Amino acid sequence: EVQLLESGGGLIQPGGSLRLSCEASGFVFRSYGMSWVRQAPGKGLEWVSGITANGGSPNYLDSVKGRFSISRDNSKSILYLQMNSLRAEDTAVYYCAKNGNFYDTSGYPSWGQGTLVIVSS
Amino acid sequence: DIQMTQSPSSLSASIGDRVIITCRASHSVSNFLSWYQQKPGTAPKLLIYGASTLQSGVPSRFSGSGSGTDFTLTISSLQSEDFATYYCQQTYGAPRTFGQGTHVDLK
Repeated sequence: EVQLLESGGGLIQPGGSLRLSCEASGFVFRSYGMSWVRQAPGKGLEWVSGITANGGSPNYLDSVKGRFSISRDNSKSILYLQMNSLRAEDTAVYYCAKNGNFYDTSGYPSWGQGTLVIVSS
Repeated sequence: DIQMTQSPSSLSASIGDRVIITCRASHSVSNFLSWYQQKPGTAPKLLIYGASTLQSGVPSRFSGSGSGTDFTLTISSLQSEDFATYYCQQTYGAPRTFGQGTHVDLK
């Protein structure tokens, strides 16, 4: 059974930094692309970032480029999202998602439970 | 960026109704289009990928069609467990983008 467990969320002041982690199990982590998707309170889904199975070709939402960095450790089956210069508008539940293949052309068949990030003074 | 526009934004339907949700892309996304279902307080669930391929374990009353810029999600006979919000997503261009969602509730 695929399991994705996010951690690292919390309350942070504007301008601060957080690193989210997503521990994966139940599948061959190094064979699948991974993504981060967020959802602000009461709002819709917003794709944040994605990375291919081998760690190449990271992509980002325009509003987080230069502030967020996605990475993965295939030896530990962990996906990361380093978030710097956080803004109030980054407040959201952040979901880790397993892509359907090496890239993400088959959608995201598995999701974590989400971790809440609140950016506020 | 490729904009995804869903219609309607919300709809009310009865058990057994046929429900159709549409998704339009601002530029062609070929068939790199997925549909998700989300219930309050839970993570999204993949229903359809590749515009028309049913994800394993998803009931056959769900179906998807379309290519290029125009897509539809059809629920052939709405069941009580189908009341939720539905999102389309394109995985053709960067950044990946979701539609704004369609909320389906009980009439």
